[in-house]
Amino acid sequence: QKEVEQNSGPLSVPEGAIASLNCTYSDRGSQSFFWYRQYSGKSPELIMFIYSNGDKEDGRFTAQLNKASQYVSLLIRDSQPSDSATYLCAVNKGKFYFGSGTKLNVKP
Amino acid sequence: DAGVIQSPRHEVTEMGQEVTLRCKPISGHDYLFWYRQTMMRGLELLIYFNNNVPIDDSGMPEDRFSAKMPNASFSTLKIQPSEPRDSAVYFCASSFQGKQYFGPGTRLTVT
Repeated sequence: QKEVEQNSGPLSVPEGAIASLNCTYSDRGSQSFFWYRQYSGKSPELIMFIYSNGDKEDGRFTAQLNKASQYVSLLIRDSQPSDSATYLCAVNKGKFYFGSGTKLNVKP
Repeated sequence: DAGVIQSPRHEVTEMGQEVTLRCKPISGHDYLFWYRQTMMRGLELLIYFNNNVPIDDSGMPEDRFSAKMPNASFSTLKIQPSEPRDSAVYFCASSFQGKQYFGPGTRLTVT
């Protein structure tokens, strides 16, 4: 079983809608979770991180943790075409375990 | 801060040649990671260091790959001899207090 799993997508949403991205993790003891955005041909960029003690909101982005079901969500409100990218979920257990990423397409 | 710096940004070499990739982490960061990314295999962790000491090299594909971190501000990843299947984007990343930041990557093409 992989440490972190994501649906590869693509997830298509219209501009202005809410995009919801999810990933599941296998280790119930995981404490810190990260979301990276990667544009085509670029490096992953850290956009959100949360710890096991709660959710986090930053502008249009909200990261939520469901410990009982062992999944992490990233919500993007008012999606823009510039949000079109691959979103990578990661868990830090000393070393980082990354999911394979979900490709998001925001259609104008 | 300048962020993680990697060089070269692009490298094209012939099979059998030695390739050296370089990385300067963000000042003050105590962890350094080397990743490889391909379409087929996604992002793979090769090796990581803590305070210049290699902690886990289980992701290094074979003995042709080696990595060093002689000081807190410099690391190298060497492939000798290189093979076409080594073609990928190699990322260096550094972290402090659990937050990891990536460099721009080196696109390696082995012909």
